[in-house]
Amino acid sequence: EVQLLESGGGLVQPGGSLRLTCAASGFTFNSEAMSWVRQAPGSGLEWVSAISGSGGDTYYRDSVKGRFTISRDNSKNTLYLQMNSLRAEDTAIYYCAKAGVSGGTRPTDKWGQGTLVTVSS
Amino acid sequence: EIVMTQTPLSLSVTPGQSASVSCKSSETLLHGDRKTYLYWFLQRPGQSPQLLIYEVSSRFSGVPDRFSGSGSGTDFTLKISRVEPEDVGIYYCMQGIHLPWTFGQGTKVEIK
Repeated sequence: EVQLLESGGGLVQPGGSLRLTCAASGFTFNSEAMSWVRQAPGSGLEWVSAISGSGGDTYYRDSVKGRFTISRDNSKNTLYLQMNSLRAEDTAIYYCAKAGVSGGTRPTDKWGQGTLVTVSS
Repeated sequence: EIVMTQTPLSLSVTPGQSASVSCKSSETLLHGDRKTYLYWFLQRPGQSPQLLIYEVSSRFSGVPDRFSGSGSGTDFTLKISRVEPEDVGIYYCMQGIHLPWTFGQGTKVEIK
């Protein structure tokens, strides 16, 4: 069974940093691209970043470029999101999501339960 | 970025009846590889989104056949036949043709 378990969320002050982690199991991790998708409280879904299976290609939405860094450790079946210079508008539940059915980095087949990031003073 | 617009934003359905959600994209989702990259997700209360339909009309593994998708180009529809109480939640469409991947605003489905 495919499982994705996020951790690392919490309360951080504006300008601070957090590193999110997504532990994956139940599939060949290094064969699948992964994404981070966020959901602000009471709002819809917003794709944040993606990374290829090898880790060699990374993609970001404009609002997080230069502040967030996606990475993966295929030996540990783990996905990361390093978030720096955090802003109030980054407050959201962050989901990791696995690509699959259509290939590429589209967040489709499986989503984790999410980890809440709150940016507030 | 591609804008995805869903209608209606909320829907109240009697169990056993059908429901439809519309999704329109600001650009065609038909790729040069002849696939159309339109997806439907359901987010049940308190849960993470789960894939229902991929590439317009293909049901994902384990999804009941009362869920069906149709459409082409920029106009798409999700139909739920014989709505059941477990179908309550927010339905999102997503485009997968151009980064950044973008989602519709969501359609909240409730049971009468």
